[in-house]
Amino acid sequence: KNEVEQSPQNLTAQEGEFITINCSYSVGISALHWLQQHPGGGIVSLFMLSSGKKKHGRLIATINIQEKHSSLHITASHPRDSAVYICAVRAWGGSEKLVFGKGTKLTVNP
Amino acid sequence: NAGVTQTPKFQVLKTGQSMTLQCAQDMNHEYMSWYRQDPGMGLRLIHYSVGAGITDQGEVPNGYNVSRSTTEDFPLRLLSAAPSQTSVYFCASSYSRNQNEKLFFGSGTQLSVL
Repeated sequence: KNEVEQSPQNLTAQEGEFITINCSYSVGISALHWLQQHPGGGIVSLFMLSSGKKKHGRLIATINIQEKHSSLHITASHPRDSAVYICAVRAWGGSEKLVFGKGTKLTVNP
Repeated sequence: NAGVTQTPKFQVLKTGQSMTLQCAQDMNHEYMSWYRQDPGMGLRLIHYSVGAGITDQGEVPNGYNVSRSTTEDFPLRLLSAAPSQTSVYFCASSYSRNQNEKLFFGSGTQLSVL
């Protein structure tokens, strides 16, 4: 079993819909990252979370440390949000390694 | 600031050839790393560095070498390319070694080994 599981693997939405992407992990963590990979391949950091909730524009990220779960929400989705969204965690214990999920491919149709 | 600059963007090699992927950052970041991305798998750590003169192996280090002679540069060397090294490679950096801060990625290198 992967240490980081994302769901769904693929998601298709209509413009304007509210989107939720989930990330579950199996180890104690010191940080969780949400990343966006554009169709052209570039990767951009969206959020780094260690607790609670963060918001940037139409994007909201939440984390529940006790349940080992994080969600990324997109409000009023737009075709330009189409991308692969990747969750990554850093385990407690001073590990230098980030463990990445396989990503969720989001397609937003006009 | 240019951020993380990674070159080349595309490369085709023959089995046995060697090459160096370049990575440079101008943000005075302490931590730099190399990942490979393969279809159906998450990004996997190849090598990382927590400062000039300090490097260590990641999850999949075999067949790759790195060095960190300056804070800015972290090249990845393929010693004798193999088809199994066909992948997309990303360089990434963050301000501190604990990575509990924003990550910055290069634009990626698509490598094909024939």
